[in-house]
Amino acid sequence: AQSVTQLGSHVSVSEGALVLLRCNYSSSVPPYLFWYVQYPNQGLQLLLKYTSAATLVKGINGFEAEFKKSETSFHLTKPSAHMSDAAEYFCAVSDQRGRRALTFGSGTRLQVQP
Amino acid sequence: DAGITQSPRYKITETGRQVTLMCHQTWSHSYMFWYRQDLGHGLRLIYYSAAADITDKGEVPDGYVVSRSKTENFPLTLESATRSQTSVYFCASSQTAGETQYFGPGTRLLVL
Repeated sequence: AQSVTQLGSHVSVSEGALVLLRCNYSSSVPPYLFWYVQYPNQGLQLLLKYTSAATLVKGINGFEAEFKKSETSFHLTKPSAHMSDAAEYFCAVSDQRGRRALTFGSGTRLQVQP
Repeated sequence: DAGITQSPRYKITETGRQVTLMCHQTWSHSYMFWYRQDLGHGLRLIYYSAAADITDKGEVPDGYVVSRSKTENFPLTLESATRSQTSVYFCASSQTAGETQYFGPGTRLLVL
């Protein structure tokens, strides 16, 4: 079985501040891990994914995430928040054998204050 | 580059009516998925399909029916809509089950 926990349903940061969105997963097999972003009234877009190559993954819009097996974490970071980063962010996990669909976390809404 | 489209984008219906939500993708992806998104629950998988004529239940399949006669289409039918099915529905596709999924824009469904 696989599951994802996103700590904090709402995160608020000031423009220019560090963004840190937390994701912990459980999986009985080596995972693929994903971060998606959802802007208002839109579908989900892929930000980045981990597929067992480099543990530090760089994505679009300046975001990156680090896979830490010992902590079963895949936290999303961005050094400096922009107003345009305000959105909902979802972490997702699947297993590398590709036999299961993605399992999504419940999401974290990011607010960016001017 | 059409990608993945959903129709209608917005739908209002009444309890007990049958409703069909359409999903079409132009990538020839093998896998297609239907999710519903509700506050506090993230995305929950309703049904998925590995190929034409192959479908399987997800986490919340009750009250929904799917079919997949062609690779590019994956309609979702609510046979007798209930208020609890008021939600935003997303279709997605991917080449394999565990790989990157590409999402449509969603259908907002209100059941009165």
